[in-house]
Amino acid sequence: DSGVTQTPKHLITATGQRVTLRCSPRSGDLSVYWYQQSLDQGLQFLIQYYNGEERAKGNILERFSAQQFPDLHSELNLSSLELGDSALYFCASSPGWGAEDTQYFGPGTRLTVL
Amino acid sequence: AQKITQTQPGMFVQEKEAVTLDCTYDTSDPSYGLFWYKQPSSGEMIFLIYQGSYDQQNATEGRYSLNFQKARKSANLVISASQLGDSAMYFCAQSRTGNQFYFGTGTSLTVIP
Repeated sequence: DSGVTQTPKHLITATGQRVTLRCSPRSGDLSVYWYQQSLDQGLQFLIQYYNGEERAKGNILERFSAQQFPDLHSELNLSSLELGDSALYFCASSPGWGAEDTQYFGPGTRLTVL
Repeated sequence: AQKITQTQPGMFVQEKEAVTLDCTYDTSDPSYGLFWYKQPSSGEMIFLIYQGSYDQQNATEGRYSLNFQKARKSANLVISASQLGDSAMYFCAQSRTGNQFYFGTGTSLTVIP
């Protein structure tokens, strides 16, 4: 158990819908990262937050948004869902944002868009 | 742009034997980290081992060791005494300041009894 929690574990929804994925980082970690893992794209970095502020953006679509709240939990919002958004979405956390900081991953949310 | 290459899509190893999973990276950053993760069929990403770019010695964690060759930009994972539970996907990742991770495409390891 990494100490990072993600809910829900599974999500099945229809095209055009909007969903919210939730993540709680390990105790003491200030950085939260979101990743998308799909068969054709591999593991893709989406976005990073540090202590409530957005620090870095990766390959995140405009239909996707995220935020980190004062209690450090984070939410990833996916809207106008398409079939291609079906993937495993991971949240990870680390103490800071140095290159030496290990990212610990949550169990993931498996999103299926029908 | 950072690039992480794992050239072995699939590997097989006999139980109790050692196996090396290859990883090469390409960066001009002076400070970076190299990480290996294991992803079993259940899907979670499990951290295995870390090597810093300035570390002089190769990292070891139990049966895992990282063969770090900085000049060649390689960071191969060595698993000793393979066990059936080692069957999984293995991902190499490189970090940079800001701690964005770049992942390779992974190697699927199958341990044969």
